[in-house]
Amino acid sequence: NAGVTQTPKFRILKIGQSMTLQCTQDMNHNYMYWYRQDPGMGLKLIYYSVGAGITDKGEVPNGYNVSRSTTEDFPLRLELAAPSQTSVYFCASSYGGSSYNSPLHFGNGTRLTVT
Amino acid sequence: AQTVTQSQPEMSVQEAETVTLSCTYDTSESNYYLFWYKQPPSRQMILVIRQEAYKQQNATENRFSVNFQKAAKSFSLKISDSQLGDTAMYFCAFGGSNYQLIWGAGTKLIIKP
Repeated sequence: NAGVTQTPKFRILKIGQSMTLQCTQDMNHNYMYWYRQDPGMGLKLIYYSVGAGITDKGEVPNGYNVSRSTTEDFPLRLELAAPSQTSVYFCASSYGGSSYNSPLHFGNGTRLTVT
Repeated sequence: AQTVTQSQPEMSVQEAETVTLSCTYDTSESNYYLFWYKQPPSRQMILVIRQEAYKQQNATENRFSVNFQKAAKSFSLKISDSQLGDTAMYFCAFGGSNYQLIWGAGTKLIIKP
């Protein structure tokens, strides 16, 4: 059971570089999410998707872009990396929205450092 | 806007003791959901327990139980017979009418042998 798979696990970027964080799930979940977790803080929602072809902004979308061309994949793109984007990034999925019957399934996270 | 507050940044107890983690939240919604997630050093986020606001009965999952006080907007987690494997960050989260879970800052729990 793969669940939610994120790659890479670690990455160091220079300021201004770009990269894509990959996320794929094999549970046929409709909903997918990208969160960031800063030290000593809870998770902040960056973007989410309720199905293929549909994405929407979360609480902290600036500096990021997403796409959802298939049910399985939900990549997160950083175009011009900035030190403020140093964080741990989590991808998650759920069958429904954020509700009792649709708890989130998380990937193992990507630790990104921008220097 | 909803907020979630975890007032205990860090706690430590001896193995086999009982520990209670606190969580308070603020919302104007009447129907919502509350969750406790665990994040061990492996970084994997794991759902521990969940509660529907309209259910008065407190949720229980084996050694984990909650004390849900809707009027006080309080949702504490009790871990009984704590084990070394319970060492982790614990996050309280609020799920309302939109797709965004609102997360607390977390409580670091250390179980000492």
